[in-house]
Amino acid sequence: DVKVTQSSRYLVKRTGEKVFLECVQDMDHENMFWYRQDPGLGLRLIYFSYDVKMKEKGDIPEGYSVSREKKERFSLILESASTNQTSMYLCASGLDIQYFGAGTRLSVL
Amino acid sequence: GENVEQHPSTLSVQEGDSAVIKCTYSDSASNYFPWYKQELGKGPQLIIDIRSNVGEKKDQRIAVTLNKTAKHFSLHITETQPEDSAVYFCAASNNQGGKLIFGQGTELSVKP
Repeated sequence: DVKVTQSSRYLVKRTGEKVFLECVQDMDHENMFWYRQDPGLGLRLIYFSYDVKMKEKGDIPEGYSVSREKKERFSLILESASTNQTSMYLCASGLDIQYFGAGTRLSVL
Repeated sequence: GENVEQHPSTLSVQEGDSAVIKCTYSDSASNYFPWYKQELGKGPQLIIDIRSNVGEKKDQRIAVTLNKTAKHFSLHITETQPEDSAVYFCAASNNQGGKLIFGQGTELSVKP
């Protein structure tokens, strides 16, 4: 079975903190994705990556950056967390079929 | 860019009834249409998908139909069961690096 693991299920951070969300996949997929999920808005793509050290902006990249130093790991970085970044964050890997992690629920106070 | 609209946002049915969720897309170049199911506390999981060269696909109690001319596709669940209760997402892709555009989601509740 494909496994996509997100490092934390729940996180609580303060406004202005730098936040790292980690994602690891075990299927040697080249493509990896970060989404945020908000009620009534579905899943919105933040960033994605085709390969190591490659990154592409999604639909809502503002306030976020990413890092892909190894093929299996894709990190989402909130440089200075703000309250409007309180959300569920989902990582996925794959090509046509995307396999999702269980999500990280981030609260920024 | 691509936009995917999904309706309804919530759907409540009695066990054994059918459920239908509809999506429309804007980019005529879209050629891949997956459906994902998200159970409480879990990430979305693919349940069925269809490509633009096919009009209908069925897998046991679930089926998806695609109308390329009208640019809409639908998920049909027959003989619903309580374990079908979840949030369902449609998505569309034109195969640009596997990027998917998701609909807003439908919360399906199946009452025993």
